[in-house]
Amino acid sequence: AQRVTQPEKLLSVFKGAPVELKCNYSYSGSPELFWYVQYSRQRLQLLLRHISRESIKGFTADLNKGETSFHLKKPFAQEEDSAMYYCALIQGAQKLVFGQGTRLTINP
Amino acid sequence: NAGVTQTPKFRILKIGQSMTLQCTQDMNHNYMYWYRQDPGMGLKLIYYSVGAGITDKGEVPNGYNVSRSTTEDFPLRLELAAPSQTSVYFCASGLGREKLFFGSGTQLSVL
Repeated sequence: AQRVTQPEKLLSVFKGAPVELKCNYSYSGSPELFWYVQYSRQRLQLLLRHISRESIKGFTADLNKGETSFHLKKPFAQEEDSAMYYCALIQGAQKLVFGQGTRLTINP
Repeated sequence: NAGVTQTPKFRILKIGQSMTLQCTQDMNHNYMYWYRQDPGMGLKLIYYSVGAGITDKGEVPNGYNVSRSTTEDFPLRLELAAPSQTSVYFCASGLGREKLFFGSGTQLSVL
């Protein structure tokens, strides 16, 4: 079955430190992967998609097909990065499935 | 432009009751989805729709029904509520699968 795994439920780092949120997937084919974020008291929203190869709010994510990973990285964490992060994968033709999520806390 | 609107925001049901969670969007999106999020867990897809008159099951459809009579509305019906359906429910819509816009959620407790 195609699935997304985020091994860390909680991640805590200090402001200014590098951040890496892990995401692994299982998919037979060319995956389409995304990172969604939910800030406190806000709605879940798209952060970035692998196909765009973009950097949003300093975050990047590289698709590694050999390791079946799509880790989210930021070189210097900021306090406003504290949020819940979800990795997501398009499954089949129309479905977007999510990982369990990682709660990131940036300590001052 | 309201985006995706879900009602109600909170609801407490007794076991065996039924209710409909409403979801409406004003962005003319074809794709609409219902997810549930249990405490400490990720989002699980309940049902989805790729256009008016078309619906399909997701990962956890049992105990739920949906309809899509218009592009704007995608209500989720719970028949015979059970404690296992206590969760936060999110509705989402998109022009395609790639970028979804989420509602603010409905927190449902079944006691």
